[in-house]
Amino acid sequence: QVQLQESGPGLVRPSQTLSLTCSVSGGPLSRGGYYWAWIRQHPGKGLEWIGCIFHSGSTDYNPSLKSRVTMSVDTSTNQFSLRLSSVTAADTAVYYCARQGTTVSLDYWGQGTLVTVSS
Amino acid sequence: DIQMTQSPSSLSASVGDRVTITCRASQGVSNYLAWFQQKPGKAPKSLIYSASTLQSGVPSRFSGSGSGTDFTLTISSLQAEDFATYYCQQYKSYPQTFGQGTQLEIK
Repeated sequence: QVQLQESGPGLVRPSQTLSLTCSVSGGPLSRGGYYWAWIRQHPGKGLEWIGCIFHSGSTDYNPSLKSRVTMSVDTSTNQFSLRLSSVTAADTAVYYCARQGTTVSLDYWGQGTLVTVSS
Repeated sequence: DIQMTQSPSSLSASVGDRVTITCRASQGVSNYLAWFQQKPGKAPKSLIYSASTLQSGVPSRFSGSGSGTDFTLTISSLQAEDFATYYCQQYKSYPQTFGQGTQLEIK
């Protein structure tokens, strides 16, 4: 059973960089041809796909965030990460990591972590 | 970006009711359409992918249909645990996009 767990600071100062890590258990993230995605949800709002990364390091980002997003993967620790630069209050959200399949879409999700941008 | 529009935005129903939620894409997405259920304070849960395939473990009262631009999620007989918010999502092209959600409430 695949499990994902987000970790990182819950509070980030404006203009700083948000950094989150997703730890994957239940199998190597390089197995099965899956991508690994980040999705966020602003308080009381809908879901926004941020982007995804393959175990090779290949990425796809949402154009609305592309200039500020960097994703990376570490197969040795079975983790992948999100960095979002120059954050503002508009980046306050619950951030989820998820497994993304070509056919099955987002089938496994982490529990989510709330990141608040505030001074 | 492909815009996903769900209707209704909210819905009141009773246990045992049959409920249908619709999702329309601004352009064709073939069958690259998924449905998710989200309860307060929890992560979304995948219910259906490829427009009509149930994820493992999802009760058979849930069903999905459609192709191209118009899709439906049907719950044949509502149970208490089904009251939640439901989202559709297209994964035909990047960026993947979600509908605005349908909040299913108890009447």
